[in-house]
Amino acid sequence: GESVGLHLPTLSVQEGDNSIINCAYSNSASDYFIWYKQESGKGPQFIIDIRSNMDKRQGQRVTVLLNKTVKHLSLQIAATQPGDSAVYFCAENISGGSNYKLTFGKGTLLTVNP
Amino acid sequence: DTAVSQTPKYLVTQMGNDKSIKCEQNLGHDTMYWYKQDSKKFLKIMFSYNNKELIINETVPNRFSPKSPDKAHLNLHINSLELGDSAVYFCASSSLVGEQFFGPGTRLTVL
Repeated sequence: GESVGLHLPTLSVQEGDNSIINCAYSNSASDYFIWYKQESGKGPQFIIDIRSNMDKRQGQRVTVLLNKTVKHLSLQIAATQPGDSAVYFCAENISGGSNYKLTFGKGTLLTVNP
Repeated sequence: DTAVSQTPKYLVTQMGNDKSIKCEQNLGHDTMYWYKQDSKKFLKIMFSYNNKELIINETVPNRFSPKSPDKAHLNLHINSLELGDSAVYFCASSSLVGEQFFGPGTRLTVL
């Protein structure tokens, strides 16, 4: 399967369960964060973003939590579905600095078992 | 109606050759990017252009030369291809600050 040799952190869940994907970011000056989903053979796709003046943001079935104290970001997916199977990346950006540069984390492979 | 498109989707070539990958966006964005994704899925920025001007060059070998004929296009030309250049290359675009929209990727294989 696709995961062979990738050495990505992996998360395997049952369909219908909630998933939590974690990310530790590196730069305490980062003030904008994005979660991307990358399905096999496709480009990364925006899921949800959050700015550093917030600690929680909700979308449709997804919630992002930001803990600036420990530089930690998480993505919660409610009622996980087989179509959620993908690699998930967090990305950080510093506004006002190199405005256009996102730094990506290494990704987590989510597998949803039917 | 594709937002960010890249051609070709697959590119197989011999070491030492020169090749180009093209990217176009129809989102009206001012900023475009090239990323390289290696076999471990690590995604790293290579270049960024804003209104046809280079603003980020992440210590990429000068065999890689981006060209932006207008703000809707950012092409990537690679000279003297090496085995280590094999990867998936993604183009992306964005407005000033915010989410980046990615193309479908070009899988480059150097033999």
